[in-house]
Amino acid sequence: SQKIEQNSEALNIQEGKTATLTCNYTNYSPAYLQWYRQDPGRGPVFLLLIRENEKEKRKERLKVTFDTTLKQSLFHITASQPADSATYLCALGVGGGNKLTFGTGTQLKVEL
Amino acid sequence: ETGVTQTPRHLVMGMTNKKSLKCEQHLGHNAMYWYKQSAKKPLELMFVYNFKEQTENNSVPSRFSPECPNSSHLFLHLHTLQPEDSALYLCASSQDDGGGAEAFFGQGTRLTVV
Repeated sequence: SQKIEQNSEALNIQEGKTATLTCNYTNYSPAYLQWYRQDPGRGPVFLLLIRENEKEKRKERLKVTFDTTLKQSLFHITASQPADSATYLCALGVGGGNKLTFGTGTQLKVEL
Repeated sequence: ETGVTQTPRHLVMGMTNKKSLKCEQHLGHNAMYWYKQSAKKPLELMFVYNFKEQTENNSVPSRFSPECPNSSHLFLHLHTLQPEDSALYLCASSQDDGGGAEAFFGQGTRLTVV
């Protein structure tokens, strides 16, 4: 069956450390993968896109990797801050167009 | 703000009521989407509209009826819902360029069916 799995437990890290979130998928062949941030009571906000022929993308303190052999994406936030606390969603681009299939998300809490 | 506006933000309705959710985007996008987000579950794609034409219905029950009168507006008409339909309903838009364009989400409508 098709699955997208993200860290099921909440991730607590200390301010200034690097947070690493995982997204593993099974029985999908995504053309691309996106990461979104979602705060309580709000809609998701786009962060990064990485395509199947790309290994790594960076944007300021954010880095995403995409390994189509392992069927895994890693999302890193360096020098984390309490303001980075949120739920982070990975979404696979499958089925053509811009249709997205989402994971359940990982809740990140950055503590002082 | 994301440029995608949803109303109302909160809605409580009885199982025999009829209500509508509204979504408006001012981004000039040609594709609009309805997603459902239930507690502890991933966002589920419900409907896709491309240039006002419905291109996807993800096996959604007929008690949910979408309408897209133009590329900027999207409605979700609700009737005879069940308590398990209580969820956050999110509208999104994007520029359909063949794949990969970011989706812009509204704030969502928190729906409670009693």
